[in-house]
Amino acid sequence: AQTVTQSQPEMSVQEAETVTLSCTYDTSENNYYLFWYKQPPSRQMILVIRQEAYKQQNATENRFSVNFQKAAKSFSLKISDSQLGDTAMYFCAFMKPLSNDYKLSFGAGTTVTVRA
Amino acid sequence: DGGITQSPKYLFRKEGQNVTLSCEQNLNHDAMYWYRQDPGQGLRLIYYSQIVNDFQKGDIAEGYSVSREKKESFPLTVTSAQKNPTAFYLCASSIVTGANEQFFGPGTRLTVL
Repeated sequence: AQTVTQSQPEMSVQEAETVTLSCTYDTSENNYYLFWYKQPPSRQMILVIRQEAYKQQNATENRFSVNFQKAAKSFSLKISDSQLGDTAMYFCAFMKPLSNDYKLSFGAGTTVTVRA
Repeated sequence: DGGITQSPKYLFRKEGQNVTLSCEQNLNHDAMYWYRQDPGQGLRLIYYSQIVNDFQKGDIAEGYSVSREKKESFPLTVTSAQKNPTAFYLCASSIVTGANEQFFGPGTRLTVL
């Protein structure tokens, strides 16, 4: 399994502020996919954003954006204008498609708490 | 509505018993996955299947078994050989091309008494 590291177990942010979650991964592959998933208190996993490694442009989905640094093997998630509904655990995940098994390797997660 | 259902939501097991967790999807996805979630460890892959009647072990398959007799169904059996089965179990499905997201079910919380 690929190694995905999320070094921040917990983060707290004031409503309307910005928070950045870090993720690093270890791979010798050149082509792969990266994902951020959100798990709110309901525990339903939801995809937040995805990035193909061959694309240089950073992915953006509304208030969520990534900073993909391929050489550094870094994939951070920025949540702008934080809302109370963003309170959740966030998981970074790696997929190596050329293996033909489409398995995801997950980091340990970062718990984000948005304060009113 | 299309989606993934898991049942039951909560399950209690006595030591030495086998239990089966249900996972059904109506998304017409070829691939299905089982993950285990423990505090501080993220999600770990137990088994996965890309086609009916075929499945592969994931990273922590010991003490678990699966079957894939139908495209829509991928039940997971937690056997008595699993030494520490208390955990949250998530089932997921996806299509098998490109950077396609895995869709997750609501999960089953298994507690060994």
